[in-house]
Amino acid sequence: DAKTTQPPSMDCAEGRAANLPCNHSTISGNEYVYWYRQIHSQGPQYIIHGLKNNETNEMASLIITEDRKSSTLILPHATLRDTAVYYCIVSRGNFNKFYFGSGTKLNVKP
Amino acid sequence: DVKVTQSSRYLVKRTGEKVFLECVQDMDHENMFWYRQDPGLGLRLIYFSYDVKMKEKGDIPEGYSVSREKKERFSLILESASTNQTSMYLCASSERGNTRTGANVLTFGAGSRLTVL
Repeated sequence: DAKTTQPPSMDCAEGRAANLPCNHSTISGNEYVYWYRQIHSQGPQYIIHGLKNNETNEMASLIITEDRKSSTLILPHATLRDTAVYYCIVSRGNFNKFYFGSGTKLNVKP
Repeated sequence: DVKVTQSSRYLVKRTGEKVFLECVQDMDHENMFWYRQDPGLGLRLIYFSYDVKMKEKGDIPEGYSVSREKKERFSLILESASTNQTSMYLCASSERGNTRTGANVLTFGAGSRLTVL
């Protein structure tokens, strides 16, 4: 599975959009991009995933570049409860393994 | 509400003890996973299972074994616990995979924090 690169930490003001980048330059055609987050002392929580097209759900939006080598997770109106570590993962799904890196620690500030 | 349940939230064991970490899911998922999480290292895959009695090694299987006798239950076993196995252990499950989209999603338990003295 392709490796991902994320910044170790980011700050965001409450109420503003949080844009979390992820590089996955070695992604292959059948690999999906997944985003999870982990709030302190809890298990990771699924946010969103996509293959080629941009995706949106009630939690976030996922923007994938046309060459699929990078993506951005957007939290449109960050709240203090969005403070967490956000993981970007690339995987083929099905029987394949999900590899988590160190993620991005998002600090949402009042 | 569907969930993945890990039997113990906190455990303290002594070096050399045999340790069982149990995980049960009620979603009829085919795939189950064990990860450990350490500061600065993210989540590392220990083992995963895609069917009853089937298992595959992840990145760091040394010192661990697993058992999947029933679909809903996936156990992680530390045959002889050592201090370097002090960690947070996370269990997850997923469907086999959407054969149309090829995607699947992990659901995690709350974690088991193991301390080996």
